[in-house]
Amino acid sequence: AQTVTQSQPEMSVQEAETVTLSCTYDTSESDYYLFWYKQPPSRQMILVIRQEAYKQQNATENRFSVNFQKAAKSFSLKISDSQLGDAAMYFCAYRSPNRYLNSGGSNYKLTFGKGTLLTVNP
Amino acid sequence: ETGVTQTPRHLVMGMTNKKSLKCEQHLGHNAMYWYKQSAKKPLELMFVYSLEERVENNSVPSRFSPECPNSSHLFLHLHTLQPEDSALYLCASSEQAWAGEKLFFGSGTQLSVL
Repeated sequence: AQTVTQSQPEMSVQEAETVTLSCTYDTSESDYYLFWYKQPPSRQMILVIRQEAYKQQNATENRFSVNFQKAAKSFSLKISDSQLGDAAMYFCAYRSPNRYLNSGGSNYKLTFGKGTLLTVNP
Repeated sequence: ETGVTQTPRHLVMGMTNKKSLKCEQHLGHNAMYWYKQSAKKPLELMFVYSLEERVENNSVPSRFSPECPNSSHLFLHLHTLQPEDSALYLCASSEQAWAGEKLFFGSGTQLSVL
């Protein structure tokens, strides 16, 4: 079964500085999707960035970028020029590609890590 | 307008009560999801609906009963719950139930079972 591990329960960063959140995952698949979601105090989860495993190029969305190391099964999120509004829980997530169901498998399951609480200090 | 609206925001119920959670999406999406978020645990997928058909039931106890009357509305009917069912219940939608799809989440219903 796929698992996602976020080893940092909490992180803090000074405003305008850069912070990296770690995520590792375990899978036997060669093709899959990885995501970072942000959950602010409003509780609404928001997609930050998405990476397709077959693409070697790291995904980037404005101040957010990932370091995707497929062989190491690592998917870290870098936040540059941190802003107060970046303070939130950050969840790393994994999803297998759609395929026919097999025993123990799931076409639709998004597997989440436990999250990292990011604090941004002014 | 958040796109995905959940009501109520908070719910307190006894173990013998029957209540329902409501989710509505205004995005024209074809897939809707229920997730459970418990303290100190990863989000757990409960149910998936694609084009109003349930396509996934992730071993959820029968005291949780989902309903999807149309592609815009999703309900979670609750009865004879246990205290360990207290959690944040999140609804989400996506254009299709495809692996790489972006999920749009609501703000959740914080459920407390006494």
